[in-house]
Amino acid sequence: GIQVEQSPPDLILQEGANSTLRCNFSDSVNNLQWFHQNPWGQLINLFYIPSGTKQNGRLSATTVATERYSLLYISSSQTTDSGVYFCAGTSGSRLTFGEGTQLTVNP
Amino acid sequence: ETGVTQSPTHLIKTRGQQVTLRCSSQSGHNTVSWYQQALGQGPQFIFQYYREEENGRGNFPPRFSGLQFPNYSSELNVNALELDDSALYLCASSSLWRDRRYNEQFFGPGTRLTVL
Repeated sequence: GIQVEQSPPDLILQEGANSTLRCNFSDSVNNLQWFHQNPWGQLINLFYIPSGTKQNGRLSATTVATERYSLLYISSSQTTDSGVYFCAGTSGSRLTFGEGTQLTVNP
Repeated sequence: ETGVTQSPTHLIKTRGQQVTLRCSSQSGHNTVSWYQQALGQGPQFIFQYYREEENGRGNFPPRFSGLQFPNYSSELNVNALELDDSALYLCASSSLWRDRRYNEQFFGPGTRLTVL
């Protein structure tokens, strides 16, 4: 199966800073999703982005399918952005997740 | 539009027991996938159900089994529980198109299982 690598594993920011999270795939994926996991474990859908660029408020994502990577941009970070961010790719019937990026935004 | 729901939210079992977790898929979706998330790790795919049949399985032993019902809801059954089965169990629903492409997967809030 495919391997998903996320970087950095941990990120600490001051409120208002910008950040970029990266996701690399070992092989082609059919679909790609970004999630934010809240402290209670709920996975919240951020982007469904097999290719191209999308924006939603302060968040945007870019997937370059031919080079097998995706980027998640967070601008003007807020304390409520803290948590774990996962990317996951679909190969066949399954979503394969990375190990996540633990983001901490300090006031 | 009704989201994905799971029950129960928390469960405590002892080693060797059996457990059944339940999931109701989002309206309009026809597939249900189950994932296990150990502490500090990303979710791991257990299996997927489509049209009441297993449609893909991850690296989990046969004591992990499932069902999908005509209304697309699903159950995850785990027999002979082991301490390592303690984890957050997540259910996701999506749609499988005729050309075998999947659309976006949406997750339920999860069931936190503790095995003592």
